[in-house]
Amino acid sequence: AQKVTQAQTEISVVEKEDVTLDCVYETRDTTYYLFWYKQPPSGELVFLIRRNSFDEQNEISGRYSWNFQKSTSSFNFTITASQVVDSAVYFCALISNSGYALNFGKGTSLLVTP
Amino acid sequence: DTAVSQTPKYLVTQMGNDKSIKCEQNLGHDTMYWYKQDSKKFLKIMFSYNNKELIINETVPNRFSPKSPDKAHLNLHINSLELGDSAVYFCASSQLTGGGNTIYFGEGSWLTVV
Repeated sequence: AQKVTQAQTEISVVEKEDVTLDCVYETRDTTYYLFWYKQPPSGELVFLIRRNSFDEQNEISGRYSWNFQKSTSSFNFTITASQVVDSAVYFCALISNSGYALNFGKGTSLLVTP
Repeated sequence: DTAVSQTPKYLVTQMGNDKSIKCEQNLGHDTMYWYKQDSKKFLKIMFSYNNKELIINETVPNRFSPKSPDKAHLNLHINSLELGDSAVYFCASSQLTGGGNTIYFGEGSWLTVV
C-alpha cells in the first residue's frame, strides 16, 4: 500500500520568510515517483516537480527547492523569500513505476501575508 | 492553448438530474484520468483510460460512467445526481500509463448538487 502524509494542514507566514512544506511517504516499491502540485485560489492544479526514486539530488528552481531523502522517506518543499502569490494549497503525490494513478497527500494550505 | 480543457467549469444542478462533464487534451497523450476533489480538498482517482480502454475503475458508484470516444477525449456522465456528488472534478492526462509520466490536470469542474 502507498501513503503520502502531509502533516502540516495550514501554514501562515509573512512575506519574505522561508517556509518548508513537509511530505512523508510510504511504499514497498523500489521504483517510484514523487510529485508536487500547487493549487492556487483559482482552483487549477499546477505541476511543479517530478522526482524518481533513484535520483536523490536536491533540485532548485528559482525560489523553490526540493529535498528528497530516501532514508527518511521524505520529499520536502521549501519556498525561499515567500511571496503573496505563493499562497495556495500544495499537494505531494506518489506513484509507483507500475502504478496507474497518483496517491495524493491531503495538502498543505500556505498563506503568505504582506 | 489550454493543454487539458474541461467544460463546464461550474455546474449547479438539482438532485436526480443527469449531467456530463467534457474533457479534451491536445497534448497527444495516450492516458486520461478523472479525479475527484472533495470538500476537504482530498484528491482521489476515479477512472483512468489508456487509448480509449478503461484501466482503472475505483470504487465509484455505477451512476458515474466515463466515455472515451477517442484518446483525446474523456467525458464523465453522472446519472441521478446526489448531494454527495458535489465536488470538484479534475480531468488529467499523461503520455503513457505509469509513474514515469507526468500527469497534467485541467482546471477543474465545480459541481454543486442542490
